[in-house]
Amino acid sequence: SAVISQKPSRDICQRGTSLTIQCQVDSQVTMMFWYRQQPGQSLTLIATANQGSEATYESGFVIDKFPISRPNLTFSTLTVSNMSPEDSSIYLCSFQGYTEAFFGQGTRLTVV
Amino acid sequence: GQQLNQSPQSMFIQEGEDVSMNCTSSSIFNTWLWYKQDPGEGPVLLIALYKAGELTSNGRLTAQFGITRKDSFLNISASIPSDVGIYFCAGPRTSGTYKYIFGTGTRLKVLA
Repeated sequence: SAVISQKPSRDICQRGTSLTIQCQVDSQVTMMFWYRQQPGQSLTLIATANQGSEATYESGFVIDKFPISRPNLTFSTLTVSNMSPEDSSIYLCSFQGYTEAFFGQGTRLTVV
Repeated sequence: GQQLNQSPQSMFIQEGEDVSMNCTSSSIFNTWLWYKQDPGEGPVLLIALYKAGELTSNGRLTAQFGITRKDSFLNISASIPSDVGIYFCAGPRTSGTYKYIFGTGTRLKVLA
C-alpha cells in the first residue's frame, strides 16, 4: 500500500503567523483529505483536496483560514493562516485507498 | 448532524484482560471502520465492516456490525501493553463517500 508522510511533524508558532503543512504520498491518489484533531478530541474533516480544482470545505472551515493546494496526484499542502492559540491541534492528511483511509502521522501544532 | 458516540470514554485494564467497547449513532451507517491511534501517530485501520451482522476478526481483535446498522462493537482479547492507545470508530459521512466521521474515541490504558 502507498506510504503517506507529513512534514513538519511538529511546530511551535507565534500567533498571527501562518504555517504550511506538506503531505506527500508515494503513489498517485485521487482523493486527499485534511483533518484536525484538537487536544483530547476526535478527528474532524476540514476539507477535501481536489487535484486541478479548489478544495471543498466542510462546515465551519473556510478557505481564507485553511488554504489548500493540490498541484498533483501525490502532493497536497494545508496552510493554517493567521494562527491563534485555538488553532493548536494535530493536523492530519489522509487519502482513500481501495478499502480504507490511510493517514499521515500528523503535524502537532502549538500556537503561543 | 451525524455523531458517533463511543463508550467507554477511557478505561484502565490489567494485562491479560479482555476489553469491550462500542460505538453508537442515531443514523444508519453502511460501513463501520475501527482505527487505533498511537501517541504521535495517525490512525491505523484495525477492522472494516461492510454488512449488518458481520463479525470480523483481526488477531486478538473482533468487531461486529450491529444488526440495526446504528452501532458497532470492538473486543480485544488478552490485552497486552501495546494495546494502549485511542480507538476510534468511523463511518462515511454520507453513504458512498469517503468523507469519514469519527467517533469520540475510547482511550485504553493497560496496566502491566
